[in-house]
Amino acid sequence: NAGVTQTPKFRVLKTGQSMTLLCAQDMNHEYMYWYRQDPGMGLRLIHYSVGEGTTAKGEVPDGYNVSRLKKQNFLLGLESAAPSQTSVYFCASSRDPRDGELFFGEGSRLTVL
Amino acid sequence: DAKTTQPTSMDCAEGRAANLPCNHSTISGNEYVYWYRQIHSQGPQYIIHGLKNNETNEMASLIITEDRKSSTLILPHATLRDTAVYYCIVRVGGDDKIIFGKGTRLHILP
Repeated sequence: NAGVTQTPKFRVLKTGQSMTLLCAQDMNHEYMYWYRQDPGMGLRLIHYSVGEGTTAKGEVPDGYNVSRLKKQNFLLGLESAAPSQTSVYFCASSRDPRDGELFFGEGSRLTVL
Repeated sequence: DAKTTQPTSMDCAEGRAANLPCNHSTISGNEYVYWYRQIHSQGPQYIIHGLKNNETNEMASLIITEDRKSSTLILPHATLRDTAVYYCIVRVGGDDKIIFGKGTRLHILP
């Protein structure tokens, strides 16, 4: 049981390039989340999804787009990367947030030069 | 913004109980309190959650005050492996967002 898998784990981009981070979960969870974490800081919610075909904005959505075409996958896109988007990105999923338990991936470290 | 307030950092001697406080004075009647921890740069790990009553599992105990405006996470016998950042979370307005604050960095001292 893989749980939550993020790809890629590391990526270096140049300013202006685009890329997509993939989050895949095999637990049949309805809810999925993308967070970013900057050095020495807590996690900040970028976007989230409450089910297949739905997305919603979190605390810091600007500069990012997301899609949830399949229940098991939640994609985070950067259309034109900026150095301010250098961060560690974490994906999480949950059967129901009221249950309390979010399952996190191992993180994707992105550097924008 | 997160609806919780936690100390920035705390120290605890190995083998002693670690008591991590959290203030959530604006909590609503149907909002749960959740605790997570993040060890080094790994993804956060769920610890425990509660509504009104005290809760205990194999990892920790959660004590919620009667007025529900604060809570304490207790690690009964802290070990060096408990060194981590601990996050206290209250769900925002009952919706589906789960907002993390800055957490408490717990140092377990040998």
